[in-house]
Amino acid sequence: KAGVTQTPRYLIKTRGQQVTLSCSPISGHRSVSWYQQTPGQGLQFLFEYFSETQRNKGNFPGRFSGRQFSNSRSEMNVSTLELGDSALYLCASSPGTRTTNEQFFGPGTRLTVL
Amino acid sequence: SQQGEEDPQALSIQEGENATMNCSYKTSINNLQWYRQNSGRGLVHLILIRSNEREKHSGRLRVTLDTSKKSSSLLITASRAADTASYFCATVLVGGGATNKLIFGTGTLLAVQP
Repeated sequence: KAGVTQTPRYLIKTRGQQVTLSCSPISGHRSVSWYQQTPGQGLQFLFEYFSETQRNKGNFPGRFSGRQFSNSRSEMNVSTLELGDSALYLCASSPGTRTTNEQFFGPGTRLTVL
Repeated sequence: SQQGEEDPQALSIQEGENATMNCSYKTSINNLQWYRQNSGRGLVHLILIRSNEREKHSGRLRVTLDTSKKSSSLLITASRAADTASYFCATVLVGGGATNKLIFGTGTLLAVQP
């Protein structure tokens, strides 16, 4: 099976712009989660989608949003970018509903905001 | 906010030595997982231990969990240069409903010198 893929891998934007990141989970996985990693705050949970529904949400402003499609692919959007949004954005997929599942992570999208 | 604190923040050892990393967390958990990250890339799942388990082994990895002390340790035996990476503990909380939300610790940077 192919692993979790994320596109693009690198992105440079300027303040005020918006950005959309994409994640394709492992085939058959229905749960997709997003995380932000920065040197200062570490790894922080953004949100999780399961069967096209947001199942859980982290403590991020409304500028961060996401969605999941019927094929389980997910996108996250950040509007009105700020310098502090520069980070590695990681997507993870998991098979199903149980909370004892390991997460399979993609390689990440490195976003730089100038 | 992060659930876990990891200790030490950085660890440097010689090939063949054992490496021990510790993780402490704050609230009751469903399970605790350990992940490895190589140089700003995606995370790789290493091992999962459930709240009713005390010890688990996987190859050169040994994980212990002490729920009374809210702590876990990861032991890597006979370290190799390829083990050089950052290691993170991550918890799934009790009472969170059906979710795969992971709360990560601060991480330990392990350097194995050849």
